[in-house]
Amino acid sequence: KAGVTQTPRYLIKTRGQQVTLSCSPISGHRSVSWYQQTPGQGLQFLFEYFSETQRNKGNFPGRFSGRQFSNSRSEMNVSTLELGDSALYLCASSLGYEQETQYFGPGTRLLVL
Amino acid sequence: AQSVAQPEDQVNVAEGNPLTVKCTYSVSGNPYLFWYVQYPNRGLQFLLKYITGDNLVKGSYGFEAEFNKSQTSFHLKKPSALVSDSALYFCAVRDLEGGSTLGRLYFGRGTQLTVWP
Repeated sequence: KAGVTQTPRYLIKTRGQQVTLSCSPISGHRSVSWYQQTPGQGLQFLFEYFSETQRNKGNFPGRFSGRQFSNSRSEMNVSTLELGDSALYLCASSLGYEQETQYFGPGTRLLVL
Repeated sequence: AQSVAQPEDQVNVAEGNPLTVKCTYSVSGNPYLFWYVQYPNRGLQFLLKYITGDNLVKGSYGFEAEFNKSQTSFHLKKPSALVSDSALYFCAVRDLEGGSTLGRLYFGRGTQLTVWP
């Protein structure tokens, strides 16, 4: 099976712009979770989608949003970018049940100038 | 509140020696515990998990971890380290009592493992 894929892999934006990141889960996986990784804050949970519904949300401002499509692919959007949004954004997919492992994609490296 | 602590930012070990990367957790109920590894400019790669049953869990690449409920620990171990094991290791927990936190993993800060030849 193909693993989790994320596009684009690298992105450079300027403050105030918006950005959309994409994640394609492993075939058959219905849950997609997003995490932000920074040197200062480590790995922080953004949100999780399961069967097109947001099931869980972390403590991030409303500028961060996401959605999931009927084929389980997911996108996250960050509006009005700030310098502090520079990070590695990781997507993980799983079958969506509590015992299941989350498998991570390679991430999207976002740099905000 | 759920949390994970990795008390060592860095662990250094000689190739061929055993290695241990420490992890302690705090949850309100019973935990599901995970170890992931991250190589430079890569995503997280799953190593192993504890769900229930035997306290010693075996995973990928010769790694194993021991669940200790009384000490709330889940230390990662390998009998003989390789230079290629050098990477950033993360411990994570999912709280079974979390209910609405079902899909959420809580991660430690990570431990940088360096294995020198």
